[in-house]
Amino acid sequence: DVKVTQSSRYLVKRTGEKVFLECVQDMDHENMFWYRQDPGLGLRLIYFSYDVKMKEKGDIPEGYSVSREKKERFSLILESASTNQTSMYLCASSPGGGRQSVAQHFGDGTRLSIL
Amino acid sequence: DAKTTQPPSMDCAEGRAANLPCNHSTISGNEYVYWYRQIHSQGPQYIIHGLKNNETNEMASLIITEDRKSSTLILPHATLRDTAVYYCIVLNTGNQFYFGTGTSLTVIP
Repeated sequence: DVKVTQSSRYLVKRTGEKVFLECVQDMDHENMFWYRQDPGLGLRLIYFSYDVKMKEKGDIPEGYSVSREKKERFSLILESASTNQTSMYLCASSPGGGRQSVAQHFGDGTRLSIL
Repeated sequence: DAKTTQPPSMDCAEGRAANLPCNHSTISGNEYVYWYRQIHSQGPQYIIHGLKNNETNEMASLIITEDRKSSTLILPHATLRDTAVYYCIVLNTGNQFYFGTGTSLTVIP
């Protein structure tokens, strides 16, 4: 089974801090994704990556950056955390090749609170 | 990008079939329909997906209408552990998922 592991289930940080959320997958997937999930808004795509050192903006990239130095690891960075970034953050991965017939597999999420 | 419309909530009696509808009237010919579910405090779990034909796996069946403008997820014998939020998603050509707000299914004993 695919395993997508997010480093923390719960995280509390202060406004202005630089925050790192880590995600690791063990299935050699090319694609990795970061979403945030908020009540009433569903999941929204922040950034995604099709390969090492590649990144693409999703729908809501403002205030975030990402890093993909190794194939198995995709990091989400909040450059200067703000209270409106309090959310559930979900990482996902999928095989590459541009195929639409393959599912994304999700981690269990990191619930981030910015005080 | 195709958007999906789902009822916000549904109830189902334990042991009965749960039929969850989804409208995706603007879907393009090469866009897949995916279903995921999310149990509280966990990440979304993949259930099933399809393009044109009906699909079945160990978890569920997916019925897609001939015009592909709507689909139904069927859980044949719902259990209490099937209580979750179910998301119907259309995967666009850029391989991006667009999750809506889903259907909250409650299985009643």
